[in-house]
Amino acid sequence: GAVVSQHPSRVICKSGTSVKIECRSLDFQATTMFWYRQFPKQSLMLMATSNEGSKATYEQGVEKDKFLINHASLTLSTLTVTSAHPEDSSFYICSARPWEDTQYFGPGTRLTVL
Amino acid sequence: GQQVMQIPQYQHVQEGEDFTTYCNSSTTLSNIQWYKQRPGGHPVFLIQLVKSGEVKKQKRLTFQFGEAKKNSSLHITATQTTDVGTYFCAFGNEKLTFGTGTRLTIIP
Repeated sequence: GAVVSQHPSRVICKSGTSVKIECRSLDFQATTMFWYRQFPKQSLMLMATSNEGSKATYEQGVEKDKFLINHASLTLSTLTVTSAHPEDSSFYICSARPWEDTQYFGPGTRLTVL
Repeated sequence: GQQVMQIPQYQHVQEGEDFTTYCNSSTTLSNIQWYKQRPGGHPVFLIQLVKSGEVKKQKRLTFQFGEAKKNSSLHITATQTTDVGTYFCAFGNEKLTFGTGTRLTIIP
């Protein structure tokens, strides 16, 4: 099956710093990737749709200036959490759909903001 | 927007017992997907149902899509410790909306 990787798997940072998370499709090209956020013991919530070569589409309530998304190539999307605060601590997961009917998720990045 | 509720929120079963989680929507869904997330892991795609009344099986797992396409269920027969995790239903073609999830724990 298709493989989606994320880096880093875990990150701890101080409040006010920025953190970049990478999402890569390893064996397929993805013109579209998706970023989700999952708080402990909760469901996944879609944050934004990352579009290769164009601006990301953000879901309602997600600050685009805080969560910067760049999709510069067909295999890489990055999510930068700017000026992170403790309430941004969460599990961030990306996904891509290499073909119809199946969506593959990355292993996730656990962000802890102190 | 559309929301999907899952029940129960938690389920503890003895190993070997059956398990069922239900997914209910207030509106008609074009499709329903099921995912499994192990503790500390990421969601893994299990299956997609599209047709009204559709039933699909994967070994001990049976998936159903309601006639009205507003509800779905996942049934596991004779649970094993490897079945531990949270089961989510989700709908959408590309952008997914996830259900609230059912966390399954197994008592050996």
